[in-house]
Amino acid sequence: DSGVTQTPKHLITATGQRVTLRCSPRSGDLSVYWYQQSLDQGLQFLIQYYNGEERAKGNILERFSAQQFPDLHSELNLSSLELGDSALYFCASSGRDRIDTEAFFGQGTRLTVV
Amino acid sequence: AQSVTQLGSHVSVSEGALVLLRCNYSSSVPPYLFWYVQYPNQGLQLLLKYTSAATLVKGINGFEAEFKKSETSFHLTKPSAHMSDAAEYFCAVSNAGGTSYGKLTFGQGTILTVHP
Repeated sequence: DSGVTQTPKHLITATGQRVTLRCSPRSGDLSVYWYQQSLDQGLQFLIQYYNGEERAKGNILERFSAQQFPDLHSELNLSSLELGDSALYFCASSGRDRIDTEAFFGQGTRLTVV
Repeated sequence: AQSVTQLGSHVSVSEGALVLLRCNYSSSVPPYLFWYVQYPNQGLQLLLKYTSAATLVKGINGFEAEFKKSETSFHLTKPSAHMSDAAEYFCAVSNAGGTSYGKLTFGQGTILTVHP
């Protein structure tokens, strides 16, 4: 158990809908990262928050947004969903935003868009 | 920008045989490298990391990796494969610039199959 909790584990929704994925980082970790894992794109970094503020953006679509709340949990919002958004979405957390800091991953949310 | 390339999307070995998973990196600055393992229906778990302290890095479950700057490689090895090693393995490099140091750039992954 990494200590990172993601809910829900599975989500099935229709195209055009909006969903929210939730992540609770390890106790005390300030950084939260979101990654998308798909068969064609592999593991792609989406976005990072550090202590409530956006720190870095990766290959995140404009239809997607995220935030980190004062209690440090984070939510990833996906809207106007398309079939191609079907993927495994991982949240990871780390204590410090340092180059040698390992990230701890949750078990992921598997999103299926039908 | 940093990048990693994993050579071989699938590797198959017999139980007890040497495991060798290849990773080459590209980085304009000294890299910080990681190997993660993903078991079916689970998240990623850190096997080991290179942070310039030593070129030979030992990790969990008997895995180790050697950083070779001249070859820009960070291959993962295990002397004797076990059935429980069957999983997907990812090499990753952390960002050495910009506003984020902790984000990771992953290779495409290598699926390891272990035959009895």
